[in-house]
Amino acid sequence: DSGVTQTPKHLITATGQRVTLRCSPRSGDLSVYWYQQSLDQGLQFLIQYYNGEERAKGNILERFSAQQFPDLHSELNLSSLELGDSALYFCASSVGPGGGDEKLFFGSGTQLSVL
Amino acid sequence: GNSVTQMEGPVTLSEEAFLTINCTYTATGYPSLFWYVQYPGEGLQLLLKATKADDKGSNKGFEATYRKETTSFHLEKGSVQVSDSAVYFCALSDRAAGNKLTFGGGTRVLVKP
Repeated sequence: DSGVTQTPKHLITATGQRVTLRCSPRSGDLSVYWYQQSLDQGLQFLIQYYNGEERAKGNILERFSAQQFPDLHSELNLSSLELGDSALYFCASSVGPGGGDEKLFFGSGTQLSVL
Repeated sequence: GNSVTQMEGPVTLSEEAFLTINCTYTATGYPSLFWYVQYPGEGLQLLLKATKADDKGSNKGFEATYRKETTSFHLEKGSVQVSDSAVYFCALSDRAAGNKLTFGGGTRVLVKP
């Protein structure tokens, strides 16, 4: 058990809808990262938050947004969903703001299916 | 930009066989290199890492050496077990880009008894 909790584990929805994925980092970790894993794109970095502030941005679509709350949990909001958004979404956490070799702890992921 | 290329799977082996998974990278700076493992139904776990050239990372019988001259970080294990069946991801982290990990496509390994 990595200590990173993601909910829900599975989510099935329809095109055009909006969903929210939730992540609770390990106790004491200040950074939260979101990754998308799909068969065609592999594992893609979406965004990182550190202590409530956006720290780094990757291949995140404009239809997607995220935030980190004062209690350090994070939510990833996906809107106007398309079939291609179906993927496994991982959250990870780390202690600090990131320094190149900092260890990340991953949650078990949320499997999103857009029908 | 940064990229990681690793051999496609699946790799199917018998128990106690030798495992090698090739990984090469492209980076503008001096990245740290990692191997992560994903067991069925779970998230990724850090397996080992190396932060500078010629460093060797090792864990659970797995080893990988950071080769700057060949931009490679191949994963090896001398005698695999059924419990090593998983997907293995090579990744790099460029210090200039914070802790944004760039992953390879993953290699599925299946070890048969």
